[in-house]
Parts: sequence; C-alpha cells; structure tokens
Amino acid sequence: SAVISQKPSRDICQRGTSLTIQCQVDSQVTMMFWYRQQPGQSLTLIATANQGSEATYESGFVIDKFPISRPNLTFSTLTVSNMSPEDSSIYLCSVAAARYGYTFGSGTRLTVV
Amino acid sequence: SQELEQSPQSLIVQEGKNLTINCTSSKTLYGLYWYKQKYGEGLIFLMMLQKGGEEKSHEKITAKLDEKKQQSSLHITASQPSHAGIYLCGAPTSYDKVIFGPGTSLSVIP
Repeated sequence: SAVISQKPSRDICQRGTSLTIQCQVDSQVTMMFWYRQQPGQSLTLIATANQGSEATYESGFVIDKFPISRPNLTFSTLTVSNMSPEDSSIYLCSVAAARYGYTFGSGTRLTVV
Repeated sequence: SQELEQSPQSLIVQEGKNLTINCTSSKTLYGLYWYKQKYGEGLIFLMMLQKGGEEKSHEKITAKLDEKKQQSSLHITASQPSHAGIYLCGAPTSYDKVIFGPGTSLSVIP
C-alpha cells in the first residue's frame, strides 16, 4: 500500500498566523483527502484534492481558511490560515489504497496559542 | 447523511480478557473499515470488509460485517497492552469518501 510522509508532525503557532502542512506519497494517486480531528473527536473530512483542479470542500470548510494545493500526483499541501485556538486539532492526509482501504499520514498535531 | 455510531465509547479491560466493539450505520453499508489510532497519531489500517457476512481475522482481532443489521463488530481475543488505543470504524460513501465513527477508546490494564 502507499506510504505517506506528512510534516510537520506537530507545531505550536500564534493566533493570526498560518501553517502549511505537507503530504508526500510514494506513488501516484488521483485523489488525496484532508481530515481534521478535533480533541476527543473523530475525523471530519475537510476537502478532496485532485491534481489539476480545484479542491472540493465539505460543508463548513472554505478555501480561504483551508487553501489546498495539489501540484502533482504525489504531493499536496493544506494551509490553515489566520489561525485561532479553535483550529487546534490533528490534521491528517489520506489516499485510497485499494486492498487496504485508505492509508493515512502520521498526522500533524497543531496547537494555536 | 450517513452516520456511524460506535459502542462502547470507552472500554477498560484486564489483560487477557476478550472484548467486542460495535459499529452501527444509519444507512446501508457498502463496506466497512476498521482502524486503530494511538493517541495523537495517525491511523493504522486493521481490516476492510466488503461483503455482508464477511469475517476477517488478523492475529487476535476478528471483524464481521452484518449488512442487514447495518453493523460491524470488532472482537479482540486475549487482549494485551499493545491493543490499547482508539478504534475507529469507517464507511465508504457513494461519493468515494469515507465517514468515520466517533471512536472507541480501549485501555488494557496489565
């Protein structure tokens, strides 16, 4: 199955700033997914990123707050913009992996102070 | 929209005991994934169930899918401290996305 390298693994950021999270996959994939996991909660899909087109955002998530780039079939970034303490979460990227369901990156633990 | 519920919400068991975690869907299941998450980390794929009545086992973990009941169960036999973590069920939707249950937190006491 695909292997995903996600970074940073964690960060502490000041409110009002932005953080960009990167995911690198060891094989070409059509769709990449970005999730948020708020403290004590399950995963919520933020958006689906396709190479060569705009990301598709789920209800409650907007491009201005969570801009996504997908420059090629192995890489994607998610930016959390103008952060507030409510953005403190674990952010995960994921790709479909055929026999293995969906593979996830190791997550980025973000704390906004 | 489809929702997944998991029970119990949390579980504390003595090492060596068996346990079962359930995942119930509000809509028809077209498949079901089980993942394990260690606290604050990424998800580790456990099993994928694709057909009603399907049962899979890996080491001491067995998962079953009951399509009619829109439910899946995960059973751990002779639990060990290494089994501790959060267990999440996920279901593919008709739009090639996955929704997740709220998770079951498992602690295993040596």
